[in-house]
Amino acid sequence: AQSVAQPEDQVNVAEGNPLTVKCTYSVSGNPYLFWYVQYPNRGLQFLLKYITGDNLVKGSYGFEAEFNKSQTSFHLKKPSALVSDSALYFCAVRDPPGGGATNKLIFGTGTLLAVQP
Amino acid sequence: ETGVTQTPRHLVMGMTNKKSLKCEQHLGHNAMYWYKQSAKKPLELMFVYNFKEQTENNSVPSRFSPECPNSSHLFLHLHTLQPEDSALYLCASSQHEFGTSYWEQFFGPGTRLTVL
Repeated sequence: AQSVAQPEDQVNVAEGNPLTVKCTYSVSGNPYLFWYVQYPNRGLQFLLKYITGDNLVKGSYGFEAEFNKSQTSFHLKKPSALVSDSALYFCAVRDPPGGGATNKLIFGTGTLLAVQP
Repeated sequence: ETGVTQTPRHLVMGMTNKKSLKCEQHLGHNAMYWYKQSAKKPLELMFVYNFKEQTENNSVPSRFSPECPNSSHLFLHLHTLQPEDSALYLCASSQHEFGTSYWEQFFGPGTRLTVL
């Protein structure tokens, strides 16, 4: 069964510093990977996805993620953190289409990013 | 209204009450989802509807009853809930095409449910 792991409950970073939020996955076959962000009292917002192609994926708000097949990781990164980036971040995985695969997303437990001014 | 809307945003109910959560998507999607978000736990997928047909019931207790009258609306009917059902209930939608697509899901703001 597919699964994702976010090993850090919280990541603290100073404003202006680079940030990384970690995600590792376990799937059979080629994964479809996603990052979502959740601000307080809001639903999840889509940030970016990896389907195929370049291992470095660029998304919204200056975020990017690097797909690493050998390490089964899909870490979220940003070169320079902003206080407004403080939120809860979720990694998710789904089956690639075909072969009876569903459109079900499996989410990690989330990582709280706190950016200090 | 744009995107995915949910009403009410907050709901407090007793264990013997019956209430309904409503979700509406304005994106022209054909798949809708209910998720439960509890503190310190991963998002739990509850139900999936594709083209108005329920395609997934993730072992959800029968006190939760979904309804999808058309591809734009999704309801979650609640009755005789337990305090442990208190959580944020999120609705999402996506465009699902068999065998080809992977479209990302778009989420509503959620309904914060408290069961007393």
